[in-house]
Amino acid sequence: DAGVIQSPRHEVTEMGQEVTLRCKPISGHNSLFWYRQTMMRGLELLIYFNNNVPIDDSGMPEDRFSAKMPNASFSTLKIQPSEPRDSAVYFCASSFAGTGGGSIQYFGAGTRLSVL
Amino acid sequence: AQSVTQPDIHITVSEGASLELRCNYSYGATPYLFWYVQSPGQGLQLLLKYFSGDTLVQGIKGFEAEFKRSQSSFNLRKPSVHWSDAAEYFCAVGASDDKIIFGKGTRLHILP
Repeated sequence: DAGVIQSPRHEVTEMGQEVTLRCKPISGHNSLFWYRQTMMRGLELLIYFNNNVPIDDSGMPEDRFSAKMPNASFSTLKIQPSEPRDSAVYFCASSFAGTGGGSIQYFGAGTRLSVL
Repeated sequence: AQSVTQPDIHITVSEGASLELRCNYSYGATPYLFWYVQSPGQGLQLLLKYFSGDTLVQGIKGFEAEFKRSQSSFNLRKPSVHWSDAAEYFCAVGASDDKIIFGKGTRLHILP
């Protein structure tokens, strides 16, 4: 199994530009999570999907952030327009969620975003 | 609401010494508990998990953790650390909605 695949690994952009981060979850998993990691705030859950449907987006910082999951094998996180304070490492994780919770999340290697 | 506290931001131990990383959680019911490790430039990797049953849980890379309900703790231990164990360690608690709440992490440094 290839694991969770994120692209790009690194992204450098200028303030005001649109940024799109991509994630391919593990085949057969039905939940997908987007996290942001910074030194100041640690690991924050931005949004998660179950069966391609957004379940909880309360962690999305503002309207500049949006996420989609058009099918079970692909998700995007878009920032438009980007700002320097969006600089962080963004992780995607997937899991097979049954009933009752407690599913193990498997993480991708992350995308390091730098907004100049 | 669930929460996780890792009181030590940094821990330094000598290679070959024993290790214990502390974790306290807050959750009303029996929690799902995890320890993940993050090496530099990498994503998080699961070390071990506790769902129910035996309170001493064995994980990968020689790590173990003990669930103590009375202390709301889930401390991670290793009897003898190796230089390759230098990384950041995250304790986490999960609930019925499949979300996982992570602690702020403890960065482990190994002295040669």
